[in-house]
Amino acid sequence: QVHLVESGGGVVQPGRSLRLSCVASGFNFGAFGFHWVRQTPGKGLEWVGIIWYDGSNKYYTDSVKGRFTISRDNSKNTVYLQMNSLRPEDTAVYYCATLNTPLDLWGQGTLVTVSS
Amino acid sequence: DVVMTQSPLSLPVTLGQPASISCRSSQSLVHNDGNTFLNWFRWRPGQSPRRLIYKVSNRDSGVPDRFSGSGSGTDFTLKISRVEAEDVGVYYCMQGTHWPYTFGQGTNLEIK
Repeated sequence: QVHLVESGGGVVQPGRSLRLSCVASGFNFGAFGFHWVRQTPGKGLEWVGIIWYDGSNKYYTDSVKGRFTISRDNSKNTVYLQMNSLRPEDTAVYYCATLNTPLDLWGQGTLVTVSS
Repeated sequence: DVVMTQSPLSLPVTLGQPASISCRSSQSLVHNDGNTFLNWFRWRPGQSPRRLIYKVSNRDSGVPDRFSGSGSGTDFTLKISRVEAEDVGVYYCMQGTHWPYTFGQGTNLEIK
């Protein structure tokens, strides 16, 4: 079965850092790019960024540029979201997803709460 | 950034009746390669989002044929021919033509 499983969420103080992980299984990890999408009750879904299948390109939404970095380790079938200088408005459930055609696969999400 | 504007934001529907959600983009979603990367997703509380439609009108695997997508350029529509109880949730359009990708605000479909 195909799966994405996120981990690494938690409660963190403003200005601190957190790294999320997304482990893939059941498909050819190295052939896919991966997105991070977050969801807040107030703002709905927000696309955070993408890393291409080979890591050669990355794009981010403006609000996280310079603070968040997406990376991948194809030997571990894992995608990472390094989040620095966290702000209260980064509080959300973070999903990794393929958003591919035909494989549109999402993880279960991991909750990040930025609060003092 | 491309702004995606959905309407209505709240959509109460009687079971068995049709439903329609509009999504408009602030610029054309026609990609340089000729494709239009407009997707529709549904989110239910406690679940992960699920894509229903990709590239304007293509249903994802397992999506009932009562769901259909249409439109072009900057104006798109998701239609449900006969709403069923399982269709409750928040529907989002998302453009994947221009960086950064962007979602609409969401439309909350509920049963009257």
